[in-house]
Amino acid sequence: EAGVVQSPRYKIIEKKQPVAFWCNPISGHNTLYWYLQNLGQGPELLIRYENEEAVDDSQLPKDRFSAERLKGVDSTLKIQPAELGDSAVYLCASSLDRPGPNTGELFFGEGSRLTVL
Amino acid sequence: GDSVTQMEGPVTLSEEAFLTINCTYTATGYPSLFWYVQYPGEGLQLLLKATKADDKGSNKGFEATYRKETTSFHLEKGSVQVSDSAVYFCALLQYSGGGADGLTFGKGTHLIIQP
Repeated sequence: EAGVVQSPRYKIIEKKQPVAFWCNPISGHNTLYWYLQNLGQGPELLIRYENEEAVDDSQLPKDRFSAERLKGVDSTLKIQPAELGDSAVYLCASSLDRPGPNTGELFFGEGSRLTVL
Repeated sequence: GDSVTQMEGPVTLSEEAFLTINCTYTATGYPSLFWYVQYPGEGLQLLLKATKADDKGSNKGFEATYRKETTSFHLEKGSVQVSDSAVYFCALLQYSGGGADGLTFGKGTHLIIQP
């Protein structure tokens, strides 16, 4: 079974440019997460989707960040314009949140590493 | 809010040494607790989990016991190998409303095993 797929793996842009990251979750997983991981830190939640609905976007900087999951499957995270401080790894994860032994287990993609110059 | 605190690294050990990575948490209610591992160049992988007090999670020789009285979930392994070198993250998962919220992670502990 394919895991969580993210692209691109690496992106280098100049500040003030836009950038977008794409995530395809594991088939059938209804919950999708975007996390931000700064160097030497643990991942921090940006947004959580249940199907196509963003149920927690309290940590998403909405002045420059946006996300969508239009059909409740794959998702896109966009930054416009990018700033130097946005350099980080952007992780996508998915889970199947139905009662059972695997409730709440998140499966992560390999991440998209952004460098803003 | 919820938080996870884990020992700072890097932790450097010799092969076959005993490993403990401390993790404590602050949370309301009864969260589930996890250890995730990130090998060089790879994504985060679930190592083990425990969903209620006194549960012991185990995998690949690693163990951690959910201690509610001390709000801890320390990771242990009796004999580490060079291949265990990675970054280890302790995390908790809260449940609210109709389902699980996102994971709250610690900062990670970089483990280096020397042959």
